[in-house]
Amino acid sequence: QQQVKQSPQSLIVQKGGIPIINCAYENTAFDYFPWYQQFPGKGPALLIAIRPDVSEKKEGRFTISFNKSAKQFSLHIMDSQPGDSATYFCASCGGGNTGKLIFGQGTTLQVKP
Amino acid sequence: ETGVTQSPTHLIKTRGQQVTLRCSSQSGHNTVSWYQQALGQGPQFIFQYYREEENGRGNFPPRFSGLQFPNYSSELNVNALELDDSALYLCASSPDGANTEAFFGQGTRLTVV
Repeated sequence: QQQVKQSPQSLIVQKGGIPIINCAYENTAFDYFPWYQQFPGKGPALLIAIRPDVSEKKEGRFTISFNKSAKQFSLHIMDSQPGDSATYFCASCGGGNTGKLIFGQGTTLQVKP
Repeated sequence: ETGVTQSPTHLIKTRGQQVTLRCSSQSGHNTVSWYQQALGQGPQFIFQYYREEENGRGNFPPRFSGLQFPNYSSELNVNALELDDSALYLCASSPDGANTEAFFGQGTRLTVV
């Protein structure tokens, strides 16, 4: 019940495309769902996060869609740019402790010019 | 920049040795969580410290231990190093009170030979 499954493992899109990364969780007690972006040699950086009381959240070019009944959430990157090429991780946690995160396996995104 | 700093950035140790990694949390943050990120994987939660006390532990053996100091900085100690301990070690800090985002440092790359 502690797994977070992320797909796809890797993704290649053209500049301007809309890559979509999906995650599924098992623990119904999870109540916080962040997405992190990580560049090689760097720590993960928080991109955007959502809580289960809303179905969608937008921040700039990044959108999270959340489906509580299906226990799934996804990240959409609008108008993707080569600078978005990085590894993206979804994560989940419960009980309000945002420091105890369960991470997905990661998706390596390449945005071609 | 998140304001979370880790030292050293890189480290090479021999199997069987002991290592200490350090983390300075962001100003105003009293909670520090440690993660291990193997190559090509998502970070895995090791343990968390809140106000100098351990506040939860992941599936890691007792040779992984930690400390948090009165200024909320933290140490991760690993005894009897094994080759599989080679990874990027990340710390994340978050402020008091639940439901507030955790921010990661840049990590310490540990290589065990």
